[in-house]
Amino acid sequence: EDQVTQSPEALRLQEGESSSLNCSYTVSGLRGLFWYRQDPGKGPEFLFTLYSAGEEKEKERLKATLTKKESFLHITAPKPEDSATYLCAVQDHRGGATNKLIFGTGTLLAVQP
Amino acid sequence: DAGVTQSPTHLIKTRGQQVTLRCSPKSGHDTVSWYQQALGQGPQFIFQYYEEEERQRGNFPDRFSGHQFPNYSSELNVNALLLGDSALYLCASSLIFTSSSSTDTQYFGPGTRLTVL
Repeated sequence: EDQVTQSPEALRLQEGESSSLNCSYTVSGLRGLFWYRQDPGKGPEFLFTLYSAGEEKEKERLKATLTKKESFLHITAPKPEDSATYLCAVQDHRGGATNKLIFGTGTLLAVQP
Repeated sequence: DAGVTQSPTHLIKTRGQQVTLRCSPKSGHDTVSWYQQALGQGPQFIFQYYEEEERQRGNFPDRFSGHQFPNYSSELNVNALLLGDSALYLCASSLIFTSSSSTDTQYFGPGTRLTVL
């Protein structure tokens, strides 16, 4: 059964203190791994898609990387506005013609000034 | 370019009632997926619509049903509401996945917060 596990559940950083969030996944065949940002009471906001091991993508202070078993979201010199829940999701090749997402429970990031 | 829109924003119902939630996809998208997100959890896939048909369903009972219209907009209906149906309901739009498509990223709307009393 497909499974996505995110760690830590919650992370508190000081402004400027870099860190990484982890997403471990188990799927029969990975079609894509997605990172989203979600603010309280809002819908998830798309950040990155990664398709193959070794792939990396960057956006401002965020960098996502992918291996065969896990993905990392690196946050460099975070600011208070980076505070949010970060969700990881995967698509399995067995999904066939649908592209349903299987989500982890997220990492709640709090960046203090 | 309008993103995914959902209505209403908030809804309060009592047990046993029925509810209809609405979604308009992002311009150019033809596929709509619905997710349920309980507090503190990740979104859970309910079902997906393409060409006005349900393509796949997650582990949700038949009380959850949907519809897609010719303009690609969609509705989610929930009958016989239970307390456990209280959640944020998310609509996501995308292009249908094909073997040659490189982008079928799902873009989410702001959600509808359903409270069942």
